[in-house]
Formats: sequence, structure tokens, C-alpha cells
Amino acid sequence: SQQGEEDPQALSIQEGENATMNCSYKTSINNLQWYRQNSGRGLVHLILIRSNEREKHSGRLRVTLDTSKKSSSLLITASRAADTASYFCATPREGGSYIPTFGRGTSLIVHP
Amino acid sequence: NAGVTQTPKFQVLKTGQSMTLQCAQDMNHEYMSWYRQDPGMGLRLIHYSVGAGITDQGEVPNGYNVSRSTTEDFPLRLLSAAPSQTSVYFCASSFGQESSYEQYFGPGTRLTVT
Repeated sequence: SQQGEEDPQALSIQEGENATMNCSYKTSINNLQWYRQNSGRGLVHLILIRSNEREKHSGRLRVTLDTSKKSSSLLITASRAADTASYFCATPREGGSYIPTFGRGTSLIVHP
Repeated sequence: NAGVTQTPKFQVLKTGQSMTLQCAQDMNHEYMSWYRQDPGMGLRLIHYSVGAGITDQGEVPNGYNVSRSTTEDFPLRLLSAAPSQTSVYFCASSFGQESSYEQYFGPGTRLTVT
């Protein structure tokens, strides 16, 4: 069963705006990852945040983790048309494993 | 490094046919896995392996077989293809360590079963 679920399912914004997508999960985790998938391609790892971290940055990406609410958010600042893709959160499988489960994803469209 | 490679890129099968989807990685990763991706369903885990000779079932294993005779290769076999197996299949690999959870994905195989 899927552990994490992204919200919203779809997001449409203009270039230069910020994009925020959220992930909620069910059970305690020790890490959470975010991946990007361009149309027709495999997933690419963006960033990992561990349970003892509250916030992490990578370029224009900012990820937060709130373990008390069992939720994470991915913020993309100053979006570009090239950021158009689907974004997935990945959490450890129930029972613990290095093979994660993925949510259904957020489809982001950035209009030039 | 080629990373994770998958062949073929596209395949059309008739119901009842069998075939093998190939996956190989050159990063010396212990963990390898197969996912299928269907519209609105996200990625669902089919089978995975934590090392050569060790495999286990994921969420949707029925109709699929795997084996792991080498660290590099992890083929997925469809025993008797059904239209419900029409999907995009992704292979992934990782070190399987707390220092590195990152999954590396192949480009996918788009399978249509008629």
C-alpha cells in the first residue's frame, strides 16, 4: 500500500512564481525523498530529508519535514518552464526497507 | 557509467505471450527493484532484490517472476501476458545503506498487451 500521498494532484502556475506541493504519510519514517519525472522518462532523485531534520535546501528547492504532522512540503522558487514535470515523494515501506514506496505524484505545469 | 539500462524501450505483446524485460546496472548496487506505473496509480512495487540470489515480492507480484543471478542484472519475466499488464515498467537500483537511500531509475519499458 502507498505510504505517502501528494497534494495537490495537479498544479498550474506562471514562470517566476513559486510552486508548493505537499506529501502526507501514515507511519513513522526515518527519511523522506522527493523525485522528479519528466514526461516519458524515469524518476530522478531531487532531495532527501531525514527525520531529525526540519528543513533542507538544494538550489531553488526547499523541503520541510514535520514529523508531528507526518507531512512534508517541497517548494520550488522562481519556477521555470523546465520545471514542468511530475513530482513524487517516497517514504520507506511499512516494516522498514531501503526500497521506498511512492505516492501518486503532483503534476506541475509551468507556463512560460 | 551507463547507470541503469532497460531493454526494450517499447514492446507489444499478444495476450498469453511471455517475455522478459531486461534491467542492468553498473554501479555495484546491492538493491534492485521493479515498479509499474499506471495513470493515476503512481508507482507500484512488483518485485525487489537485496542482493544476488535474494528476491522478494512487492505489492503487485502476480503474473511476474524475477531472478537475480548477478549483482548487475535483474530481469523481469511476464509468464502469460494479460491486457491488465499494459503499463510502463521501471527498474531501479540503490546501495541499500543508511548513508545513501537514493534510487537510480532506468528509462522505462512501455508495454502494451493486446
